[in-house]
Formats: sequence, structure tokens, C-alpha cells
Amino acid sequence: DAKTTQPPSMDCAEGRAANLPCNHSTISGNEYVYWYRQIHSQGPQYIIHGLKNNETNEMASLIITEDRKSSTLILPHATLRDTAVYYCIVRVMEYGNKLVFGAGTILRVKS
Amino acid sequence: GEEVAQTPKHLVRGEGQKAKLYCAPIKGHSYVFWYQQVLKNEFKFLISFQNENVFDETGMPKERFSAKCLPNSPCSLEIQATKLEDSAVYFCASSPWDRGVYGYTFGSGTRLTVV
Repeated sequence: DAKTTQPPSMDCAEGRAANLPCNHSTISGNEYVYWYRQIHSQGPQYIIHGLKNNETNEMASLIITEDRKSSTLILPHATLRDTAVYYCIVRVMEYGNKLVFGAGTILRVKS
Repeated sequence: GEEVAQTPKHLVRGEGQKAKLYCAPIKGHSYVFWYQQVLKNEFKFLISFQNENVFDETGMPKERFSAKCLPNSPCSLEIQATKLEDSAVYFCASSPWDRGVYGYTFGSGTRLTVV
């Protein structure tokens, strides 16, 4: 079973920051937080991951609370192409360890 | 190449017929995963391979479903005697032999429709 809780849907205005929350209150010390997204019916796309510290890459930023029980994915300037289902996943980083997907958040970016 | 290639993109089978799906992982990737997406959002893990060896088959239905990854061949997922409930998009993903630091790369899926 997925170990994360996300809101079912969110709206965001184009050009504004999209902040997607994720609750993972039972996360273990060796579990990382991963974010993936699925645009339309394509295969899931990796976005970012982190353990404790905040992370940033060219796609997004990941803010993890100090107690690691929740996190927020930030898309700084959302575009229409960011409309997708976003999945927050916790996973032990081990060889071949599978991803367990929850229901995700449908993000709708509107003009 | 740098993409996971899944074929065919669409497959239609009558109930009771066999369906076979293929996945060519990224060259050099040691792990292959199969997922089933029945409803829009719900992914179900089926099976994973480390090279040609089954690594984790905890999600694989005991009956009718089988999978293989043979050397120098695409991996395959076969469903014997398909049922209406097997209608879904089947995704394959691959990852290199490390701890999956950058996550997995997914293919674009095969949409199976059982009629």
C-alpha cells in the first residue's frame, strides 16, 4: 500500500507557483521522498527526490519538513504543459526496489 | 537508446485470447519493472527482473500472467486467456544497476483492450 496522502486535485493559474503537498507521517529514516508525474496517458516521468534537505533541479523544488512527515513539491512558474497527475512516493533507495504509487494529485493549470 | 520501447502501442483481444506485450529496456539497465494501470490513476506493480532473473513477483497474478526477460531479447509480459478485467495500460520501466538515484525511466505503455 502507498504510504503517502495527497489531495485528489488542485488548480493553479498559469505563471504562478504550484505547491503540491504530500503527507508521509509514517516515513522511515532510510526512505526517500520521490515525485513523479503522468501527463495525459504517458508513462510516469521522474521529477525530483530527497531525503532530508530541500532539493532543487531544473523542473521543481522539493521542501521536506524537519520531522520528514510531510513535503511540498513546488513548480515555480506553472505552464499549461504542467497539467498532470503528480505522485508522491516514499521508497527505500535499494537496488531494484519498486515504486508504490498512490492515487496522486491531479494538477490543472489554467490560463 | 535512451528510451524504454514498448510494443505494440495498442492491442485488442477477444476474451479468452492470448496477449503478449514487449518491452525493450534502456541499454545497460539491469532492472525491468512491469506495472498495470487499470483506472486513470491507479498503478499496480506486477513483477520486476534483475537481468533475466525474476527479482520481485509479489504483484503478479498467479494464474494467466507470465513474464520473461531473456538475454538479447525484449522482455515480455504474456496473458493467457484474457478477461475483460485485464483491459488496462501496461507500463514497463527500467533502471540501471545502482540504487535508482535518478528514479526509473518508463515506457509509453501498451493499451490492452479485451472485448
